[in-house]
Amino acid sequence: GAVVSQHPSWVICKSGTSVKIECRSLDFQATTMFWYRQFPKQSLMLMATSNEGSKATYEQGVEKDKFLINHASLTLSTLTVTSAHPEDSSFYICSARPRQGDSNQPQHFGDGTRLSIL
Amino acid sequence: QQQVKQSPQSLIVQKGGIPIINCAYENTAFDYFPWYQQFPGKGPALLIAIRPDVSEKKEGRFTISFNKSAKQFSLHIMDSQPGDSATYFCAAKRGSTLGRLYFGRGTQLTVWP
Repeated sequence: GAVVSQHPSWVICKSGTSVKIECRSLDFQATTMFWYRQFPKQSLMLMATSNEGSKATYEQGVEKDKFLINHASLTLSTLTVTSAHPEDSSFYICSARPRQGDSNQPQHFGDGTRLSIL
Repeated sequence: QQQVKQSPQSLIVQKGGIPIINCAYENTAFDYFPWYQQFPGKGPALLIAIRPDVSEKKEGRFTISFNKSAKQFSLHIMDSQPGDSATYFCAAKRGSTLGRLYFGRGTQLTVWP
């Protein structure tokens, strides 16, 4: 149980385009979803935290207008990288926090999306 | 500021060896300490976790040792196998922060056959 599906797993696009990444909790409801960015051989860097039906809370240094987060339902959050440039190329990982009592784990992680901007 | 400090950055052991990865923290409000295993191109997966009311937890070949007074915890992998080669992250969570995790920098483990 407690599976988080992230789509797409890999995307390559031209500079200037916008890219949407989906994060779905398949068998539980997620009150909170987290978006991370990970560079090669580095740790996970939290970008933002989103709660269903409310605006996301962004970490310091993360551009809100660049990385748009929508958490429209208890099972789906999306991250849109707007006007992507090569420096946005990275591995993006989402995680979902189950409702209290649904799991004893604080977060369940997706398998990440590798974004390459040409 | 790194809330959780992890060492070593990389570790190489022979098959059957016992790699040990160490983490330290400062914030005494942390109440949950998980370890995650990450393979290339995949998201992190929970390996084992401990709360500060116990000093040791064992699950299969993985053991967490926790020293509350020293604010340190470590992961031991018994009888390590080549399939254990991965990056390991320690993390910590405060009780009132909606599940936010603070990660260490990671340890890249290589187990030679």
